[in-house]
Amino acid sequence: AQSVTQLDSHVSVSEGTPVLLRCNYSSSYSPSLFWYVQHPNKGLQLLLKYTSAATLVKGINGFEAEFKKSETSFHLTKPSAHMSDAAEYFCVVSVAGGSYIPTFGRGTSLIVHP
Amino acid sequence: GAGVSQSPSNKVTEKGKDVELRCDPISGHTALYWYRQSLGQGLEFLIYFQGNSAPDKSGLPSDRFSAERTGGSVSTLTIQRTQQEDSAVYLCASSSGNQGGTIYFGEGSWLTVV
Repeated sequence: AQSVTQLDSHVSVSEGTPVLLRCNYSSSYSPSLFWYVQHPNKGLQLLLKYTSAATLVKGINGFEAEFKKSETSFHLTKPSAHMSDAAEYFCVVSVAGGSYIPTFGRGTSLIVHP
Repeated sequence: GAGVSQSPSNKVTEKGKDVELRCDPISGHTALYWYRQSLGQGLEFLIYFQGNSAPDKSGLPSDRFSAERTGGSVSTLTIQRTQQEDSAVYLCASSSGNQGGTIYFGEGSWLTVV
């Protein structure tokens, strides 16, 4: 079985400062890992994904994430927050043993202050 | 189609009525997923289709919930005798079903039971 833990339910940053959203996973198989963003009253949009290629993955809007197998982590970062980054972020894992059914973390709400 | 399409986008129904929610996945995607997102909550897995069969329906909350998929394409989620606790956003997603396949989400069907 697989699981995902997003370590912070809320993260608050000032505009222009770095963003760190933390995600740890548990999986018996080699995982595929994703980060999705959901703006208020909108659907989910893929930010980036890891699928066993490069461990540092770059996504849209300046976001990136690093897969660290030894730490079972896939933290999402951005060097400089923008007001438009305020949204809900979901870390997702899917594995072959789970029929690739995506398992979602509970989400992290990113708040960006002017 | 170009993306995952869901209808209706909004539905208000009276308690006790039946509702049907439709999902039209991306053409060629064999895997289809239904999730539920309640206010302020994460995503709750409901059911997974591979082609027309549902190998995992473990997330359906009660026997009032059912889903089918025909022609390996369109899926319908049916909720019978709706209750107020069924009020949520119902999200449909599709993917190639292979490891690392990106999961694409629709905009969701917002259900309100009054």
